[in-house]
Amino acid sequence: DGGITQSPKYLFRKEGQNVTLSCEQNLNHDAMYWYRQDPGQGLRLIYYSQIVNDFQKGDIAEGYSVSREKKESFPLTVTSAQKNPTAFYLCATGLAHTDTQYFGPGTRLTVL
Amino acid sequence: GIQVEQSPPDLILQEGANSTLRCNFSDSVNNLQWFHQNPWGQLINLFYIPSGTKQNGRLSATTVATERYSLLYISSSQTTDSGVYFCAVEHSTGGFKTIFGAGTRLFVKA
Repeated sequence: DGGITQSPKYLFRKEGQNVTLSCEQNLNHDAMYWYRQDPGQGLRLIYYSQIVNDFQKGDIAEGYSVSREKKESFPLTVTSAQKNPTAFYLCATGLAHTDTQYFGPGTRLTVL
Repeated sequence: GIQVEQSPPDLILQEGANSTLRCNFSDSVNNLQWFHQNPWGQLINLFYIPSGTKQNGRLSATTVATERYSLLYISSSQTTDSGVYFCAVEHSTGGFKTIFGAGTRLFVKA
């Protein structure tokens, strides 16, 4: 099956805990992105990566961290420094940064 | 930074009606995409259209980059068209960041 997988679909965590969201793709795309969506809002870019071992901050990177050790994987860690982490997190990929973006199904994170 | 404004914010249509959604952006862009987000949160790319006109079935889009706007046309709407439509741009001087508009929420009544 080709595509983008995000896991888990729903995630509940206690305040103060770090949590890592998974994004895996087998589309052989170079570019990968993480977005955050709050209820009734558009998407905001957290981090993006154009190539393995390289990533750049988006508009709301504070309190988040990423790694890009493999082309297929771009995990996002939500740290305890993120003031309001409850949101819907979407991962996307593209052949190149100027190309069409394809989205995974998302992870809904709730911090209790 | 670049501003992306979509209108209308909300739209209710009777099944079979046509509609036009608009996206205005405040500066030059490298690319522009239209997405549809279904009620379960999945985003589907509709068009990659930095300029010109494209058509895909009942949907078509036009971007006039020199006037900084794009239009998405939906003809003969169906209930499955319901959801949120987003416009997203990459600013020409924004370091490859993609900026999304707030979206147009569409509900098609049977």
